Amino acid sequence: KQEVTQIPAALSVPEGENLVLNCSFTDSAIYNLQWFRQDPGKGLTSLLLIQSSQREQTSGRLNASLDKSSGRSTLYIAASQPGDSATYLCAVDDTGGFKTIFGAGTRLFVKA
Amino acid sequence: SQTIHQWPATLVQPVGSPLSLECTVEGTSNPNLYWYRQAAGRGLQLLFYSVGIGQISSEVPQNLSASRPQDRQFILSSKKLLLSDSGFYLCAWSALAGELFFGEGSRLTVL
Repeated sequence: KQEVTQIPAALSVPEGENLVLNCSFTDSAIYNLQWFRQDPGKGLTSLLLIQSSQREQTSGRLNASLDKSSGRSTLYIAASQPGDSATYLCAVDDTGGFKTIFGAGTRLFVKA
Repeated sequence: SQTIHQWPATLVQPVGSPLSLECTVEGTSNPNLYWYRQAAGRGLQLLFYSVGIGQISSEVPQNLSASRPQDRQFILSSKKLLLSDSGFYLCAWSALAGELFFGEGSRLTVL
């Protein structure tokens, strides 16, 4: 059974710092991995989708990497800003699109 | 572009009352549709998914049901709410084996 773990559970950094959020999964046979952002009381916003054949994806200040063999993904946020404060969730699809498994998330706070 | 709408955003219901949450997707056809629940301090739990009109798969035995009367409409229902049904309900869609997109969510409080 696939399990997704995110470390750390919470993180507080000063503005301008580069940071890395970690995601690990137990079964490497995945279709894709997706990173989301969730603001309090809101839905999830898709940040990056990495297909199983890809190693990384980039969007603006965000870069996500995928290492299937070790069951790990990282989300790199460059030059963090207070507006980046949110919960970041990692999700793994290992069934072709129907039963995506989510991690519990990392709550990020960027101090001005 | 594709958009997903979910309503109502917030509702407070007494125990034993019925429930209906609605979700519609625009700008795409034949999407996969999903209902998730996010309980306080817990991760997202998949409740139902649908690959087509009238096709519903249930992931968790519960007090809830789902229906898909039209291609881009997904409804979550209950005949009698329980206290344990309280939570944040999220509708989502995806193209075949692709990226998941979520609605804004519906906060349900059962008293």
